[in-house]
Amino acid sequence: SQQGEEDPQALSIQEGENATMNCSYKTSINNLQWYRQNSGRGLVHLILIRSNEREKHSGRLRVTLDTSKKSSSLLITASRAADTASYFCATDAWYGNKLVFGAGTILRVKS
Amino acid sequence: NAGVTQTPKFQVLKTGQSMTLQCAQDMNHNSMYWYRQDPGMGLRLIYYSASEGTTDKGEVPNGYNVSRLNKREFSLRLESAAPSQTSVYFCASSILADTQYFGPGTRLTVL
Repeated sequence: SQQGEEDPQALSIQEGENATMNCSYKTSINNLQWYRQNSGRGLVHLILIRSNEREKHSGRLRVTLDTSKKSSSLLITASRAADTASYFCATDAWYGNKLVFGAGTILRVKS
Repeated sequence: NAGVTQTPKFQVLKTGQSMTLQCAQDMNHNSMYWYRQDPGMGLRLIYYSASEGTTDKGEVPNGYNVSRLNKREFSLRLESAAPSQTSVYFCASSILADTQYFGPGTRLTVL
């Protein structure tokens, strides 16, 4: 079973708009990560937020974490066509050096 | 640095055939992982190795075996391939339960 579940499953926006993706998880975590996957490629790490952090920024990315609701959101501001990809959240299992991935959100940015 | 490399990139097998997927990393990471990715399912952990000399089952280990040959290399073996093992396989490495670095993937089709 998957720990993280992303919402929406797919998102289509115009270039320049903001994109928001959400992730919910089930058990306590130490950290939550977001990854991007371009079509046919491996995953690339975007950002990590620890359980004692509420918000984190990296360039055009903003991640929030609400541990009371067991949820996180990824905001991509001023989106570009190159942001078209699948985005996955991943949480660390409470045991071992393992991550559990959600099913992902497919983002399409139209130019 | 090459990061994480995987061979082969593509493979077609007949049911019952065996093969080994190779993975190597040059980042001196302790932990290595094998995932499979199926449409709409995100990534599911097959096996992982927290450190050289240790391996553990993940979420979907049935039908697979692994070998942590040394700190750099972690191979995945299918002893008797089945159509249900048609998937894209990703290898990843990390220092701890932190950022994971992914290889480009192996697309496997079992007929």
